Amino acid sequence: DAKTTQPNSMESNEEEPVHLPCNHSTISGTDYIHWYRQLPSQGPEYVIHGLTSNVNNRMASLAIAEDRKSSTLILHRATLRDAAVYYCILRDGMKTSYDKVIFGPGTSLSVIP
Amino acid sequence: NAGVTQTPKFQVLKTGQSMTLQCAQDMNHNSMYWYRQDPGMGLRLIYYSASEGTTDKGEVPNGYNVSRLNKREFSLRLESAAPSQTSVYFCASSSRFEQYFGPGTRLTVT
Repeated sequence: DAKTTQPNSMESNEEEPVHLPCNHSTISGTDYIHWYRQLPSQGPEYVIHGLTSNVNNRMASLAIAEDRKSSTLILHRATLRDAAVYYCILRDGMKTSYDKVIFGPGTSLSVIP
Repeated sequence: NAGVTQTPKFQVLKTGQSMTLQCAQDMNHNSMYWYRQDPGMGLRLIYYSASEGTTDKGEVPNGYNVSRLNKREFSLRLESAAPSQTSVYFCASSSRFEQYFGPGTRLTVT
């Protein structure tokens, strides 16, 4: 199964944009890129997903490289509530379950007031 | 909607004791999962159930059993708890593109 590589930790100042990178050089054509985040003492929550085109929703934007070997989660204005661990995962879009999805250690984002 | 609920929230066991962690979802999802998360680590899949009546092993199934009681409920059983099973346990269910997690059960085995 294709895996992802993320920096262990990042820092951002409050109210500034944050760009969280993810490398997935062995991504297959049917893999979707998903991002989840985990706030302290909570279960992970879905943030965004995409296949080829850039995606926006109320929480974040996802920028996907043209060769799909990397992607970037963009938080447009970091708030203290955005301090969390962010997971970039790949999921085969042909499957109907998450059974082979691997959650790595993710990126721990600190937001400085 | 309650989403994914888990009971209990906290549990302390002695080595060798048994217990069952309960999980229920009200989103009519076919797929359900059990993960464990050790301090500073990512999630590791213990077991999953792609649909009612089926269960399969994940990355770390040893020492655990599961039951998919019906479409709503998926339980995780520790038959003989060991200190290595001290962890936070998350249950999840998924639609085609999103996975929804419960609040977790913090289990300590002494």
